[in-house]
Amino acid sequence: AQTVTQSQPEMSVQEAETVTLSCTYDTSENNYYLFWYKQPPSRQMILVIRQEAYKQQNATENRFSVNFQKAAKSFSLKISDSQLGDTAMYFCAFIISGAGSYQLTFGKGTKLSVIP
Amino acid sequence: GAGVSQSPSNKVTEKGKDVELRCDPISGHTALYWYRQSLGQGLEFLIYFQGNSAPDKSGLPSDRFSAERTGGSVSTLTIQRTQQEDSAVYLCASSLRLAGGPRSYNEQFFGPGTRLTVL
Repeated sequence: AQTVTQSQPEMSVQEAETVTLSCTYDTSENNYYLFWYKQPPSRQMILVIRQEAYKQQNATENRFSVNFQKAAKSFSLKISDSQLGDTAMYFCAFIISGAGSYQLTFGKGTKLSVIP
Repeated sequence: GAGVSQSPSNKVTEKGKDVELRCDPISGHTALYWYRQSLGQGLEFLIYFQGNSAPDKSGLPSDRFSAERTGGSVSTLTIQRTQQEDSAVYLCASSLRLAGGPRSYNEQFFGPGTRLTVL
């Protein structure tokens, strides 16, 4: 079974600063995807960034980037130039790739507050 | 186009009553998922529908929970004889039909959820 662990229940960051959210996972699979989702108070889950396990290059999306360490099973999210709109719950998630796989496994989330 | 919609947005019910939660997936999406998000927890998989195939109900926590998907589109999650521990946000997601290949993946698009409170 796959597990995803987020060890930081809450974090805060000053506006315009950089913050890193941690995530570790456990799996015996070799082909999988990792994700960071953002959930603002509206409850809408928004995909922030995706990493394919077979790609060594870390994914980036504008101010969001990841540090993917496959051997260590670590997948952290870095948010640069934090903005007030980044305040939300952030969930790390995992899915085995392939047509027969469809269950996302989520961590418990990190509540991020951006302070003006 | 329109995203995944869910209704009601919020539902307050009394212990022992039955509730129905509705999900309208994105048009053309054949896969539909239900997840439960309890307070302080991540999302927990409940059930998966793919076209006309038999659903995967392995995540349903008890026989009080059931779900159906009529006509391959709208889905209803029913909780009978609700208990206080059923209080949670229930999220629905949809995706295109899962692609083939060992490195394939179809993105799941989430609705805004229904917050269920059982008094």
